[in-house]
Amino acid sequence: DAGVTQSPTHLIKTRGQHVTLRCSPISGHKSVSWYQQVLGQGPQFIFQYYEKEERGRGNFPDRFSARQFPNYSSELNVNALLLGDSALYLCASSPRRYEQYFGPGTRLTVT
Amino acid sequence: AQKITQTQPGMFVQEKEAVTLDCTYDTSDPSYGLFWYKQPSSGEMIFLIYQGSYDQQNATEGRYSLNFQKARKSANLVISASQLGDSAMYFCAMREGREGGATNKLIFGTGTLLAVQP
Repeated sequence: DAGVTQSPTHLIKTRGQHVTLRCSPISGHKSVSWYQQVLGQGPQFIFQYYEKEERGRGNFPDRFSARQFPNYSSELNVNALLLGDSALYLCASSPRRYEQYFGPGTRLTVT
Repeated sequence: AQKITQTQPGMFVQEKEAVTLDCTYDTSDPSYGLFWYKQPSSGEMIFLIYQGSYDQQNATEGRYSLNFQKARKSANLVISASQLGDSAMYFCAMREGREGGATNKLIFGTGTLLAVQP
């Protein structure tokens, strides 16, 4: 089975722009979570979606939003990009047991 | 407050030796789960091992074992017979609440960079 996939793998944006990151979970997994990992730190929880409903939100500003589609794929949107948004964005899917399987991430650079 | 602490920024180990990576946690929830992930330079987080707060025995997965000391709130990862491919960043993480609960939010520590030397 294919693992969690994320696109794009790398992205360069300018301050003030908007970005959309995409994630496809493992087949059969209904839960998707998003994490931000700034260089040198552990991942920080942004959102969790289960069956298209938001189940959790981390301490991030309203510039960050997400949604989950009927096929359980997900998008993370970030508006009005700041330099501090430069990070590796990780998506994880879960079959609602304890494991979370992470994708390869999208590396976002804001200049 | 929910917190994971990894006090070892970096560790060296000789190939074929065992190494212990430290992790302590803080939570007031009686039900929680503890995880270890490996992150190579490529960036992907690879799940290694899981320990539930009510599990009676320490978790083991191949060369990985989790030394769970509930009273001390520690969940150290032991890697036996280190291999060159084990060189990576290792993160300890915690999920509060029961398995299959409303949320599976993970709280991560700052990580330990392990270097395996030939």
